[in-house]
Amino acid sequence: AQSVTQLGSHVSVSEGALVLLRCNYSSSVPPYLFWYVQYPNQGLQLLLKYTSAATLVKGINGFEAEFKKSETSFHLTKPSAHMSDAAEYFCAVSITGTASKLTFGTGTRLQVTL
Amino acid sequence: GAGVSQTPSNKVTEKGKYVELRCDPISGHTALYWYRQSLGQGPEFLIYFQGTGAADDSGLPNDRFFAVRPEGSVSTLKIQRTERGDSAVYLCASSPHIDNYGYTFGSGTRLTVV
Repeated sequence: AQSVTQLGSHVSVSEGALVLLRCNYSSSVPPYLFWYVQYPNQGLQLLLKYTSAATLVKGINGFEAEFKKSETSFHLTKPSAHMSDAAEYFCAVSITGTASKLTFGTGTRLQVTL
Repeated sequence: GAGVSQTPSNKVTEKGKYVELRCDPISGHTALYWYRQSLGQGPEFLIYFQGTGAADDSGLPNDRFFAVRPEGSVSTLKIQRTERGDSAVYLCASSPHIDNYGYTFGSGTRLTVV
């Protein structure tokens, strides 16, 4: 079975600072990995996805993530935080043959301060 | 439609009552998924449909939960004899077909059982 662990349920950064949200996965077969963002009272929005192509994946709103097999990680980064980035971020994993059934982490709430 | 539509957005019901939650996927999307998100947790898979058939219902917690998609478009999640523990946000998602490339979520139905 696959799983993801998100380290840090809350992360606070200053506006303009680097954003780093951590995600580690466990999977017995090559995984597909995703980051979703959830704004208050809104649905989950796909930020980016890794599907076994390039290991550095660029997503929307300036976010990117790097798949590191040796570290079983898929951390999300953004060079400069903006106030509008404040939201809940979820890492998720699926494996081939499970028809895109996603297993989500528990989420990281990002706070951006002035 | 332009996105995945879920109705109602909020539902308050008394313990023991029956509820139906509706999901209207993006037009033409053959795959439809239901997830449940409890407070402070990531979404958990419930069931998915490919067309009209429930291809995987392994996430349904018990036989009080049932979902249908009779015409391969709109889906209804049905909960009998609701319990306070059923309180959560129920999320629906759809994708053009079964794959591992992420899908589009609706805004969810917040169910509160009192």
